[in-house]
Amino acid sequence: AQKVTQAQTEISVVEKEDVTLDCVYETRDTTYYLFWYKQPPSGELVFLIRRNSFDEQNEISGRYSWNFQKSTSSFNFTITASQVVDSAVYFCALRFDTNAGKSTFGDGTTLTVKP
Amino acid sequence: DGGITQSPKYLFRKEGQNVTLSCEQNLNHDAMYWYRQDPGQGLRLIYYSQIVNDFQKGDIAEGYSVSREKKESFPLTVTSAQKNPTAFYLCASRQGGGSYEQYFGPGTRLTVT
Repeated sequence: AQKVTQAQTEISVVEKEDVTLDCVYETRDTTYYLFWYKQPPSGELVFLIRRNSFDEQNEISGRYSWNFQKSTSSFNFTITASQVVDSAVYFCALRFDTNAGKSTFGDGTTLTVKP
Repeated sequence: DGGITQSPKYLFRKEGQNVTLSCEQNLNHDAMYWYRQDPGQGLRLIYYSQIVNDFQKGDIAEGYSVSREKKESFPLTVTSAQKNPTAFYLCASRQGGGSYEQYFGPGTRLTVT
């Protein structure tokens, strides 16, 4: 069975602070994919990043960065110099390497960035 | 513009009535999915379809039904058998292959009283 844990239910920061959202996963598969999605108040989930299990290279995209560590089964997401527009619910998701494409989602972390 | 449309955004029904939620995509994706989201919770898979005229139950299929007669369309019917239908419903689609991400529609918020 696969499982995704986002232990932080809610995080509140002041604008320009850095914030890290944690994601810990469980799977017995050797090939899998990890994703982060953002859900703004409008409700639609927006894809942020995909990472393959065989690629532990960290990634930076503007103010966003992701740290993938297989040794600790974690795929953490950091926002540098947070902005009010970053306020949203962020979901981490895990998927096996099959064409069914069934994903397991964490419960999400609600990030509030105050001006 | 390519994307996924769900209509309506808000839907109200009386208890005991069946209701069908629409999901249309013009991304030419083979796979489509329906999720349910409750407050403070993640997404739970209701049904998914990898190809036209074929679909499989997800984790919480009881009280729901779907059809996939066209590649572009994957409507979800919430039946009166669903014990607690009030929720936010999200439709998604995905290109074939294990690595690809899902694209989500704007969602339908269903309230049953």
